Amino acid sequence: AQSVTQPDIHITVSEGASLELRCNYSYGATPYLFWYVQSPGQGLQLLLKYFSGDTLVQGIKGFEAEFKRSQSSFNLRKPSVHWSDAAEYFCAVTSGTYKYIFGTGTRLKVLA
Amino acid sequence: DVKVTQSSRYLVKRTGEKVFLECVQDMDHENMFWYRQDPGLGLRLIYFSYDVKMKEKGDIPEGYSVSREKKERFSLILESASTNQTSMYLCASSFRRGQGIGYTFGSGTRLTVV
Repeated sequence: AQSVTQPDIHITVSEGASLELRCNYSYGATPYLFWYVQSPGQGLQLLLKYFSGDTLVQGIKGFEAEFKRSQSSFNLRKPSVHWSDAAEYFCAVTSGTYKYIFGTGTRLKVLA
Repeated sequence: DVKVTQSSRYLVKRTGEKVFLECVQDMDHENMFWYRQDPGLGLRLIYFSYDVKMKEKGDIPEGYSVSREKKERFSLILESASTNQTSMYLCASSFRRGQGIGYTFGSGTRLTVV
Protein backbone atom coordinates (compact mmCIF):
# COMPACT_ATOMS: atom_id res chain seq x y z
CA ALA A 1 0.00 0.00 0.00
CA GLN A 2 1.12 3.53 -0.67
CA SER A 3 2.22 5.39 2.43
CA VAL A 4 4.26 8.26 3.77
CA THR A 5 6.04 8.03 7.10
CA GLN A 6 7.36 10.89 9.15
CA PRO A 7 9.01 9.04 12.03
CA ASP A 8 9.51 12.08 14.27
CA ILE A 9 6.35 13.48 15.82
CA HIS A 10 8.19 16.26 17.65
CA ILE A 11 11.62 17.79 17.15
CA THR A 12 13.24 20.50 19.25
CA VAL A 13 16.27 22.45 18.07
CA SER A 14 18.05 25.57 19.23
CA GLU A 15 17.90 28.69 17.12
CA GLY A 16 20.84 28.74 14.72
CA ALA A 17 21.25 24.96 14.76
CA SER A 18 20.81 22.81 11.67
CA LEU A 19 17.63 20.87 11.04
CA GLU A 20 16.72 17.67 9.27
CA LEU A 21 13.16 16.33 9.12
CA ARG A 22 12.73 12.80 7.85
CA CYS A 23 10.25 11.51 5.31
CA ASN A 24 10.05 7.99 3.92
CA TYR A 25 7.57 6.86 1.33
CA SER A 26 6.30 3.64 -0.12
CA TYR A 27 5.18 4.08 -3.69
CA GLY A 28 5.23 1.86 -6.74
CA ALA A 29 5.66 4.52 -9.38
CA THR A 30 8.04 7.45 -9.63
CA PRO A 31 6.59 9.85 -7.12
CA TYR A 32 6.01 13.55 -6.99
CA LEU A 33 7.19 14.66 -3.54
CA PHE A 34 6.30 17.73 -1.53
CA TRP A 35 7.00 19.41 1.78
CA TYR A 36 4.41 21.72 3.30
CA VAL A 37 4.58 23.88 6.42
CA GLN A 38 1.68 24.80 8.68
CA SER A 39 1.98 27.66 11.13
CA PRO A 40 -0.39 27.58 14.12
CA GLY A 41 -3.99 28.18 13.12
CA GLN A 42 -3.11 28.40 9.44
CA GLY A 43 -3.46 26.30 6.31
CA LEU A 44 -0.57 24.52 4.65
CA GLN A 45 2.02 26.38 2.57
CA LEU A 46 4.13 24.67 -0.07
CA LEU A 47 7.84 24.75 0.81
CA LEU A 48 9.27 22.77 -2.10
CA LYS A 49 8.58 19.95 -4.52
CA TYR A 50 10.39 17.29 -6.52
CA PHE A 51 9.25 15.36 -9.55
CA SER A 52 12.33 14.98 -11.77
CA GLY A 53 15.83 16.22 -12.42
CA ASP A 54 18.30 17.27 -9.77
CA THR A 55 17.65 15.30 -6.62
CA LEU A 56 18.50 18.25 -4.37
CA VAL A 57 15.75 20.83 -4.53
CA GLN A 58 15.66 24.29 -3.08
CA GLY A 59 12.55 25.81 -1.58
CA ILE A 60 11.34 28.92 0.12
CA LYS A 61 12.53 30.20 3.50
CA GLY A 62 15.99 28.65 3.04
CA PHE A 63 14.81 25.04 3.06
CA GLU A 64 16.10 22.26 0.83
CA ALA A 65 15.30 18.59 0.41
CA GLU A 66 17.08 15.65 -1.14
CA PHE A 67 15.38 12.80 -2.97
CA LYS A 68 17.11 9.45 -2.43
CA ARG A 69 15.43 6.76 -4.49
CA SER A 70 17.50 3.95 -2.98
CA GLN A 71 16.34 4.89 0.51
CA SER A 72 12.81 5.97 -0.50
CA SER A 73 13.43 9.17 1.39
CA PHE A 74 12.85 12.87 0.88
CA ASN A 75 14.33 14.60 3.92
CA LEU A 76 13.94 18.30 4.56
CA ARG A 77 16.92 20.32 5.74
CA LYS A 78 17.83 23.80 6.82
CA PRO A 79 21.38 24.87 7.79
CA SER A 80 20.36 27.40 10.44
CA VAL A 81 16.92 27.44 12.03
CA HIS A 82 15.15 30.68 12.94
CA TRP A 83 12.55 31.04 15.70
CA SER A 84 9.93 31.73 13.01
CA ASP A 85 10.43 28.21 11.62
CA ALA A 86 8.51 26.75 14.57
CA ALA A 87 5.56 25.06 12.90
CA GLU A 88 4.31 21.68 11.76
CA TYR A 89 5.81 20.15 8.65
CA PHE A 90 4.10 17.68 6.35
CA CYS A 91 5.60 15.49 3.67
CA ALA A 92 3.29 14.44 0.81
CA VAL A 93 3.50 12.20 -2.23
CA THR A 94 1.49 11.65 -5.39
CA SER A 95 1.99 9.54 -8.46
CA GLY A 96 0.71 12.40 -10.61
CA THR A 97 -2.97 11.92 -9.99
CA TYR A 98 -5.16 14.20 -7.96
CA LYS A 99 -4.72 12.12 -4.84
CA TYR A 100 -1.97 13.10 -2.45
CA ILE A 101 -0.92 11.05 0.53
CA PHE A 102 0.23 13.10 3.50
CA GLY A 103 2.41 12.08 6.38
CA THR A 104 1.20 12.62 9.92
CA GLY A 105 3.44 15.64 10.39
CA THR A 106 6.45 16.69 12.48
CA ARG A 107 6.04 19.51 14.95
CA LEU A 108 9.15 21.67 15.25
CA LYS A 109 9.93 23.64 18.37
CA VAL A 110 12.74 26.19 18.29
CA LEU A 111 14.53 27.18 21.49
CA ALA A 112 15.83 30.72 21.82
CA ASP B 1 -1.86 36.89 -4.64
CA VAL B 2 -3.76 33.71 -5.32
CA LYS B 3 -6.16 32.63 -2.65
CA VAL B 4 -8.31 29.91 -1.27
CA THR B 5 -10.76 31.44 1.18
CA GLN B 6 -12.69 29.50 3.78
CA SER B 7 -15.67 31.42 5.05
CA SER B 8 -15.21 30.73 8.76
CA ARG B 9 -12.10 30.31 10.91
CA TYR B 10 -14.03 28.95 13.90
CA LEU B 11 -17.46 27.37 14.16
CA VAL B 12 -19.35 25.89 17.07
CA LYS B 13 -22.39 23.79 16.22
CA ARG B 14 -24.77 21.55 18.11
CA THR B 15 -25.12 17.82 17.59
CA GLY B 16 -27.66 17.10 14.85
CA GLU B 17 -27.35 20.46 13.13
CA LYS B 18 -26.76 20.70 9.40
CA VAL B 19 -23.45 22.45 8.85
CA PHE B 20 -22.12 24.12 5.71
CA LEU B 21 -18.44 24.87 5.22
CA GLU B 22 -17.71 27.11 2.27
CA CYS B 23 -14.56 27.41 0.20
CA VAL B 24 -13.87 29.83 -2.65
CA GLN B 25 -10.79 30.01 -4.88
CA ASP B 26 -9.84 32.75 -7.31
CA MET B 27 -7.26 30.87 -9.38
CA ASP B 28 -9.56 29.23 -11.95
CA HIS B 29 -8.49 25.80 -10.62
CA GLU B 30 -10.40 22.78 -11.84
CA ASN B 31 -9.68 20.59 -8.80
CA MET B 32 -10.93 21.30 -5.32
CA PHE B 33 -10.58 19.19 -2.18
CA TRP B 34 -11.80 18.92 1.37
CA TYR B 35 -9.53 17.43 4.01
CA ARG B 36 -9.91 17.01 7.73
CA GLN B 37 -6.89 17.26 9.97
CA ASP B 38 -6.65 15.53 13.33
CA PRO B 39 -3.64 15.22 15.65
CA GLY B 40 -1.63 12.10 14.94
CA LEU B 41 -3.66 11.29 11.83
CA GLY B 42 -2.41 13.96 9.45
CA LEU B 43 -4.66 15.04 6.59
CA ARG B 44 -7.39 12.75 5.36
CA LEU B 45 -9.27 13.36 2.12
CA ILE B 46 -13.04 13.64 2.51
CA TYR B 47 -14.17 14.57 -0.99
CA PHE B 48 -12.68 15.79 -4.23
CA SER B 49 -14.15 17.61 -7.23
CA TYR B 50 -12.45 17.85 -10.62
CA ASP B 51 -15.13 19.91 -12.35
CA VAL B 52 -18.40 21.69 -11.76
CA LYS B 53 -21.07 19.28 -10.49
CA MET B 54 -18.50 16.45 -10.38
CA LYS B 55 -17.38 14.84 -7.16
CA GLU B 56 -15.55 11.80 -5.95
CA LYS B 57 -15.35 10.24 -2.52
CA GLY B 58 -12.07 10.38 -0.69
CA ASP B 59 -10.92 8.17 2.14
CA ILE B 60 -13.46 9.23 4.78
CA PRO B 61 -16.68 10.46 3.10
CA GLU B 62 -19.12 9.00 5.63
CA GLY B 63 -21.26 11.65 7.26
CA TYR B 64 -20.33 14.28 4.67
CA SER B 65 -21.57 15.49 1.31
CA VAL B 66 -20.33 18.18 -1.06
CA SER B 67 -21.66 20.61 -3.62
CA ARG B 68 -19.91 22.29 -6.53
CA GLU B 69 -22.34 24.43 -8.51
CA LYS B 70 -19.71 26.93 -9.66
CA LYS B 71 -16.08 26.40 -10.55
CA GLU B 72 -14.79 28.67 -7.82
CA ARG B 73 -16.88 27.35 -4.93
CA PHE B 74 -16.80 24.00 -3.17
CA SER B 75 -19.02 23.39 -0.16
CA LEU B 76 -18.72 20.68 2.46
CA ILE B 77 -21.95 19.67 4.17
CA LEU B 78 -22.34 17.82 7.43
CA GLU B 79 -25.89 16.52 7.17
CA SER B 80 -26.25 15.87 10.91
CA ALA B 81 -23.23 17.01 12.87
CA SER B 82 -21.79 14.67 15.47
CA THR B 83 -19.13 15.19 18.10
CA ASN B 84 -16.69 12.95 16.23
CA GLN B 85 -16.72 15.49 13.42
CA THR B 86 -15.03 18.04 15.65
CA SER B 87 -11.88 18.76 13.69
CA MET B 88 -9.90 21.20 11.54
CA TYR B 89 -11.22 21.25 7.98
CA LEU B 90 -8.95 22.33 5.16
CA CYS B 91 -9.95 23.22 1.63
CA ALA B 92 -7.43 23.06 -1.21
CA SER B 93 -7.36 23.55 -4.96
CA SER B 94 -5.12 22.80 -7.93
CA PHE B 95 -5.06 22.81 -11.70
CA ARG B 96 -6.28 19.56 -13.21
CA ARG B 97 -2.99 18.92 -14.94
CA GLY B 98 -0.95 20.50 -12.19
CA GLN B 99 -0.50 17.62 -9.85
CA GLY B 100 3.23 18.26 -9.87
CA ILE B 101 2.72 21.87 -8.89
CA GLY B 102 1.03 21.19 -5.60
CA TYR B 103 -2.06 22.35 -3.86
CA THR B 104 -3.02 25.78 -2.59
CA PHE B 105 -4.65 25.53 0.83
CA GLY B 106 -7.09 27.73 2.66
CA SER B 107 -6.48 28.78 6.26
CA GLY B 108 -8.80 26.15 7.65
CA THR B 109 -12.03 26.05 9.63
CA ARG B 110 -11.89 24.69 13.15
CA LEU B 111 -15.26 23.11 13.82
CA THR B 112 -16.42 22.15 17.29
CA VAL B 113 -19.58 20.08 17.63
CA VAL B 114 -21.09 20.13 21.12
